[in-house]
Order: sequence, then C-alpha cells, then structure tokens
Amino acid sequence: DTAVSQTPKYLVTQMGNDKSIKCEQNLGHDTMYWYKQDSKKFLKIMFSYNNKELIINETVPNRFSPKSPDKAHLNLHINSLELGDSAVYFCASSLPGVNQPQHFGDGTRLSIL
Amino acid sequence: GIQVEQSPPDLILQEGANSTLRCNFSDSVNNLQWFHQNPWGQLINLFYIPSGTKQNGRLSATTVATERYSLLYISSSQTTDSGVYFCAAWGRAGTALIFGKGTTLSVSS
Repeated sequence: DTAVSQTPKYLVTQMGNDKSIKCEQNLGHDTMYWYKQDSKKFLKIMFSYNNKELIINETVPNRFSPKSPDKAHLNLHINSLELGDSAVYFCASSLPGVNQPQHFGDGTRLSIL
Repeated sequence: GIQVEQSPPDLILQEGANSTLRCNFSDSVNNLQWFHQNPWGQLINLFYIPSGTKQNGRLSATTVATERYSLLYISSSQTTDSGVYFCAAWGRAGTALIFGKGTTLSVSS
C-alpha cells in the first residue's frame, strides 16, 4: 500500500564504507527526488530524476551517485562515507511539472560511526 | 532562488488551543506545500496549496499568492499534532522545492 517506500529505515555504518538506499514508488509518477535533512532538521534537495534522466544535481559531492533503473525506482549509492553524511535521507516523487505535489517516503536515518 | 521563511520557530500550546503558523516566500510560486514531520520523523503531506484555501478536519490552509504568504491553521490542537511543520515552495524561476526551517509545535495535555 505504501506509496513511496525506502529501505532501509535505519543504516549504521563506519566511515569509509559504501552503502546504498533504495526507493520505490507505486504512484505511477515520472519524477523522483532525493532530499537530505541535516541535524538541524533543514531539508534540502539533492537530486531530481524525470523518467530515469537526471534533472537536478544540487552541488552534491560525487561520492553520491543516484541510479534510476526505471521510473518507479531511484536508488542512492554513497561511496567512502564521511561523518558529515550522517543525516536523514528522504525520497519523494511527483507527476512531471513544477506545479505538482510531491509525496515523501518515511526517510532513512544514516548514522556514521 | 526563492527564500522561504516560517514563523514562529517554536510554539507551545495546551491541548484544545488554536494556532496559526505563517510562511512567507520571496517570489511567485508554482507549488506550495505544508508538511507535518511527526515525532517518528515521517513527513506527512498536509496541503498542496499554491493559492486559495483548503480545509481538512481541524487543519486548514490559506495561500495569498499575490502577497506571498501562506497560513496554516490548527484548531482544537491535540498532543498528536506535536512535531515540526514545514512549508515548502517552488518558485517560478526555481528548479526544486525549497523548504523553510520549520515551526516546532509542542502540545501538552
């Protein structure tokens, strides 16, 4: 039933490791996003994909690589994790176009030891 | 890009009280949404409201696009309303939803 689902919900790992977060939506949307929420709860866009093509990359380090195998999935792979990567990562989706509401997943809390 | 400012930053209420949260934005908007982040961290869509007024139960929202602000009204607040309320806007010249810093609401019984 879940419209936008992310896995895992929690991820605890050590500095230097590589990890992935998966996102799937069953809303039939064409556009998907990744947002990062920092320790002060500030939410900021990282990436946007429309129909598997990258639309936005908001000056995110190239250790972060989104991958969209099809328009229902947008996964986030992070290489060489750093302490500053600790955050909550949210996936979202919408129909294409700027005047469409975005629907968010429940978030993945990433903690780097 | 568009600036989104929310006020107040913090709000403490007794159960049953009413409240108004404000969101000011610096440019014309294509998209404006209100979200509630509950204590478990989930972001719940409250309203998609680039203009006009909408109501959903005890919550209602009004956006006056020409004056560049939106208001979220919570009536008869309950402890389950606690959490952080975010306003997010997509400006006409923008490329993404820009979030405000949120209003943290605490409702006590």
